[in-house]
Amino acid sequence: EAQVTQNPRYLITVTGKKLTVTCSQNMNHEYMSWYRQDPGLGLRQIYYSMNVEVTDKGDVPEGYKVSRKEKRNFPLILESPSPNQTSLYFCASSRRDRGLITDTQYFGPGTRLTVL
Amino acid sequence: DAKTTQPPSMDCAEGRAANLPCNHSTISGNEYVYWYRQIHSQGPQYIIHGLKNNETNEMASLIITEDRKSSTLILPHATLRDTAVYYCIVRVRKLVFGQGTRLTINP
Repeated sequence: EAQVTQNPRYLITVTGKKLTVTCSQNMNHEYMSWYRQDPGLGLRQIYYSMNVEVTDKGDVPEGYKVSRKEKRNFPLILESPSPNQTSLYFCASSRRDRGLITDTQYFGPGTRLTVL
Repeated sequence: DAKTTQPPSMDCAEGRAANLPCNHSTISGNEYVYWYRQIHSQGPQYIIHGLKNNETNEMASLIITEDRKSSTLILPHATLRDTAVYYCIVRVRKLVFGQGTRLTINP
């Protein structure tokens, strides 16, 4: 089954304790992306990757890092989490066609992060 | 990327057609109209997209006006499971999610 998986699904942590949220897709997609969703602000893109070893900032990259060492994985790293990073996080992936990101983005189930 | 305007909420009776409008008056010629939905706090789900012509798939129909300044997503026979936030997105390079329309299907 084609899917995007995220782990963990729920996480409560404390300020400053490094954490990683994993994202994996089994569709051989070139493009992967991370979003955060906050009440009243909608979904905002954090980082994206057009292919292996190619990453770029989205709209709200501050406080986050990503890596794309393998095509299927795109982990989101919070080196020193702060309470304002409490949010619902989604990973997504899609194909690329002639250099453009195609229409269907597949989203993971979400990771609810609370930073105390 | 063009901005979109959607009503914040709508209601529809189960079994009836749900028609969700979207205004995108600043859309440019090469921008597609996409619809996604998000059920509760699950990951958004792609529904349909189009450029100029009307489109239909197993989930919905998309009607785009001739001047492309607005569109309507039609769920032909809404069920309770269609209760969700529906996002209309106009994009060339990336998806930009607005506030969407919260559609409630009533029994």
